[in-house]
Amino acid sequence: AQTVTQSQPEMSVQEAETVTLSCTYDTSESDYYLFWYKQPPSRQMILVIRQEAYKQQNATENRFSVNFQKAAKSFSLKISDSQLGDAAMYFCAYRSQGGSEKLVFGKGTKLTVNP
Amino acid sequence: AAGVIQSPRHLIKEKRETATLKCYPIPRHDTVYWYQQGPGQDPQFLISFYEKMQSDKGSIPDRFSAQQFSDYHSELNMSSLELGDSALYFCASSLGGTRYNEQFFGPGTRLTVL
Repeated sequence: AQTVTQSQPEMSVQEAETVTLSCTYDTSESDYYLFWYKQPPSRQMILVIRQEAYKQQNATENRFSVNFQKAAKSFSLKISDSQLGDAAMYFCAYRSQGGSEKLVFGKGTKLTVNP
Repeated sequence: AAGVIQSPRHLIKEKRETATLKCYPIPRHDTVYWYQQGPGQDPQFLISFYEKMQSDKGSIPDRFSAQQFSDYHSELNMSSLELGDSALYFCASSLGGTRYNEQFFGPGTRLTVL
């Protein structure tokens, strides 16, 4: 079974600075998807960014980018120019390609943005 | 754009009672997923349906059952409720066969069991 580990229960960053959230995963599959979801205090699950395992190029969405290291099974999220609205719980998630499409989540990292 | 609708948004039940949670997927989406998120926990997959058939099953208690109807909406039925069932229940929907089969989450139903 696949597992996702987020080793940082909490992180903090100053407004306008950059922060990196860590995520590692364990799988024997070669094709899969990785995601970062944001859960603000409203508890809504919002997709931040996705990465296909077969793509070597790291995904980027505006201020959000990932560092995907397939061999190391690492998938970190970098938030640049942090904004107060980025404060939330961030979950890393894994999904197989084909077969089960369930999302397997890490325990989450609570991000605080200080003004 | 239309989003996933869940009802009710909040539900309070007593122990041993029954609850029914409803999920209305995004129009044209044919796949529905249910997740349970306990307090301070990550979401845990319960069950999923594709084209009205169960497609996968996770850590769903035998006291829970679910189905997807002909209009693609889904219902999660929970019986003999226990205190530990208090959680946020998410429904997500996706369109099968697309590149990412991206799951779009609803706002969740917060269930409190007293």
